[in-house]
Amino acid sequence: GAVVSQHPSRVICKSGTSVKIECRSLDFQATTMFWYRQFPKQSLMLMATSNEGSKATYEQGVEKDKFLINHASLTLSTLTVTSAHPEDSSFYICSARDPGAPEQYFGPGTRLTVT
Amino acid sequence: QKEVEQDPGPLSVPEGAIVSLNCTYSNSAFQYFMWYRQYSRKGPELLMYTYSSGNKEDGRFTAQVDKSSKYISLFIRDSQPSDSATYLCAMSGGSEKLVFGKGTKLTVNP
Repeated sequence: GAVVSQHPSRVICKSGTSVKIECRSLDFQATTMFWYRQFPKQSLMLMATSNEGSKATYEQGVEKDKFLINHASLTLSTLTVTSAHPEDSSFYICSARDPGAPEQYFGPGTRLTVT
Repeated sequence: QKEVEQDPGPLSVPEGAIVSLNCTYSNSAFQYFMWYRQYSRKGPELLMYTYSSGNKEDGRFTAQVDKSSKYISLFIRDSQPSDSATYLCAMSGGSEKLVFGKGTKLTVNP
């Protein structure tokens, strides 16, 4: 299957700072990438859909000014959590979709802890 | 009614058992069906992908889709402790978003 990487795997930051998470498709070009958030023992919650070269589409209730998404190339999307607060602590997972295919391939996730 | 329903379990079975995991859905437009396996603190891994109705087999795993009943299943034969994980069903109508079930936590006991 296709490989998607995420970096960093774990990050701890202080309240008020910003954190950037990278998502890369390693062996295919992903015109569309997705960002999810997962709380303990819960399913995936889609935050936004990221299309290469255009603005991301955010799900209802997700603050686009707080969660900045950039999809500058066919293999890289970034999520920046701005002015992070403890309630932003969560497991963030990206996925990528091969053009023309419905299945998504997920990265290993980034655990964010805001102190 | 939620679009996708999945019993969260937990499900505990002895090693070697046949495991049956299921999801029901309400949206008749769904035609792409997936099963993902997620280990603790890891991203989901695509296990099986099926288009429309029918069966698909891959090693110890078999995915079944019954569109008339809006019911999908994943069977695991000869289950192993390494199969212990949360299994998520997901589906779409071909649009970009996947709709996920809540996941079923499976434990296979040695």
